[in-house]
Order: sequence, then C-alpha cells, then structure tokens
Amino acid sequence: EPEVTQTPSHQVTQMGQEVILRCVPISNHLYFYWYRQILGQKVEFLVSFYNNEISEKSEIFDDQFSVERPDGSNFTLKIRSTKLEDSAMYFCASRQGTNQPQHFGDGTRLSIL
Amino acid sequence: QKEVEQNSGPLSVPEGAIASLNCTYSDRGSQSFFWYRQYSGKSPELIMFIYSNGDKEDGRFTAQLNKASQYVSLLIRDSQPSDSATYLCAAEARTSYDKVIFGPGTSLSVIP
Repeated sequence: EPEVTQTPSHQVTQMGQEVILRCVPISNHLYFYWYRQILGQKVEFLVSFYNNEISEKSEIFDDQFSVERPDGSNFTLKIRSTKLEDSAMYFCASRQGTNQPQHFGDGTRLSIL
Repeated sequence: QKEVEQNSGPLSVPEGAIASLNCTYSDRGSQSFFWYRQYSGKSPELIMFIYSNGDKEDGRFTAQLNKASQYVSLLIRDSQPSDSATYLCAAEARTSYDKVIFGPGTSLSVIP
C-alpha cells in the first residue's frame, strides 16, 4: 500500500538554525499538510497546500515557517530560525481529494537545543 | 474556535470486551469525521472515517455519527491488548475543507 514518507526521522538542531523537513506524499494525492504534536499534547494543524499554493495556515504558522513543493514529489517544511518551543513531532499528510481521509507519514522528531 | 472534545481517559477494558470511545465537535459545518489510532511516539493511523449519520462497520470497529447531537463514537468489539493506544477523533469542516481538527485523544488500555 502506498504511503507518505518523511525524512529524517529525527533531527537535532541548535536554536536559531534553519531546518528543513522533507516529505514525499502519496503519488496521486493532490492535497498536502503539515501538522505538529508537542510531546503530550494534541495534533495541531500547521498548513495545507493545494495547487502549488498555501490554502490555509494556522496561527502557529508564522513568518518563520514556509512550505514548498519544489518538484513533482517532495513537499518540504522549512523553519527559518528555530526556537526551543519548535521541538515537536512534525507530521506530513496527504489526501487524494476532498471528502477523502488524510494519510500520515511516520513523522520527524525535531529537537531544538 | 472550532473544537473537538474527547475524554482523555485512561479507559480500561478487559480483553474481549467492547471499548466505547466518544467525541463531540463544536462546528456544525463539519462534514467528515475520522478516527485515528496513535501508539506512543508514532504517527496517527487511520482506523475509520464516516460522513453520514448512522453506523459504519469495518471488522471489529464500528463508527457512529449523529450530526444533530454533534457526536461521534467508535466501538471496538473483542478488544485486544494490541488495541491499547490513544484514539484521536478528528473533524473536517465543509467550509474549511482543507483542515482537520483533532481532539486531544482518549487513552485506551486493554487488560489481558
């Protein structure tokens, strides 16, 4: 069964550094998402992406965050200047169309030191 | 603020029993509802999704939706120790069809 893949599985970064999290969505999916989950808290929506542009973003997704789909397969989340509070699991998700469920990747654990 | 609420648990059931997980949502515009299972340190795994009022069954799992009451539930029959996990209820609004809002999750423990 096709799946969403994320790399790396764990990223350790110094505060203030830039980090790029990578995702390869399922190939025939059209809608892409990033979520995060701080340890012990609920899954929070960050941003959705469709037709090569952001369709919605949350309050968390401030100017430090950006997303890109640089080619036909990858979907990236960049955090420009990381803060301690950015430490979390980041999940990429994709879905084929509206009214279809989102499928999640295994996540990237981001640790900011 | 659109919210999805769940009892955090933990909910403990003996092996072989029925586990009943409940969820309410605040946005009447929500159209699609999902149940995900999440093991500790892992990503959410889709268990069921439901769009229409009533019951939807898949193996040992039954999802129930009542839009008038803004209530979604998940029944797990013949619970197994491997079902022990956190169950996340999620709702997707028609007006904001992109975004899925997750509840905080209910921790289920199936006791052998």
